Amino acid sequence: NAGVTQTPKFQVLKTGQSMTLQCAQDMNHEYMSWYRQDPGMGLRLIHYSVGAGITDQGEVPNGYNVSRSTTEDFPLRLLSAAPSQTSVYFCASRSGLDTYEQYFGPGTRLTVT
Amino acid sequence: DAKTTQPNSMESNEEEPVHLPCNHSTISGTDYIHWYRQLPSQGPEYVIHGLTSNVNNRMASLAIAEDRKSSTLILHRATLRDAAVYYCILRGHSGGSNYKLTFGKGTLLTVNP
Repeated sequence: NAGVTQTPKFQVLKTGQSMTLQCAQDMNHEYMSWYRQDPGMGLRLIHYSVGAGITDQGEVPNGYNVSRSTTEDFPLRLLSAAPSQTSVYFCASRSGLDTYEQYFGPGTRLTVT
Repeated sequence: DAKTTQPNSMESNEEEPVHLPCNHSTISGTDYIHWYRQLPSQGPEYVIHGLTSNVNNRMASLAIAEDRKSSTLILHRATLRDAAVYYCILRGHSGGSNYKLTFGKGTLLTVNP
């Protein structure tokens, strides 16, 4: 199992550009989520999904879109990048809502200039 | 949401035990206590969780106070690889309750050789 994979590892964008951060898991997990982590801070939840076709907002959803067309993939789209979106982004998954252990990807470091 | 309070940082020496405290005085009866850790430049990883009784696994032990208002993560013999940020998180596990992981700033553990 590869677990949770994220691409790219690093990305630099100019203000106003759009891009998609990719996240995939091969564990057949129903629950997937995206977090961002700013320097010296904990992780903040952006969006999450409880299964294919179902997504919902976390605590900091503005400026981001998600979709979940398959169980395996959960891409995060930045519509019009802003410097405030400079952060490290982590994707995570777990098998169900009540499952104890959540698995995190290695992260994508995004810089918006 | 019930909140947790952790020291910002702690230090330990290699091969000595480490006790990482967490206060959660507003914990509800259905909240489980989860611990995750984040090694440098990596995504968080699950360490342990518990409800009322003390718990042991291959990574650590979790000691939960009788009134559940505090808990302690115990690393029995710290190694350099245990240097990380440790997060104490409360999470509900029953239907309709909070199933999201909310990360605070955690405790930065430094392990001295």
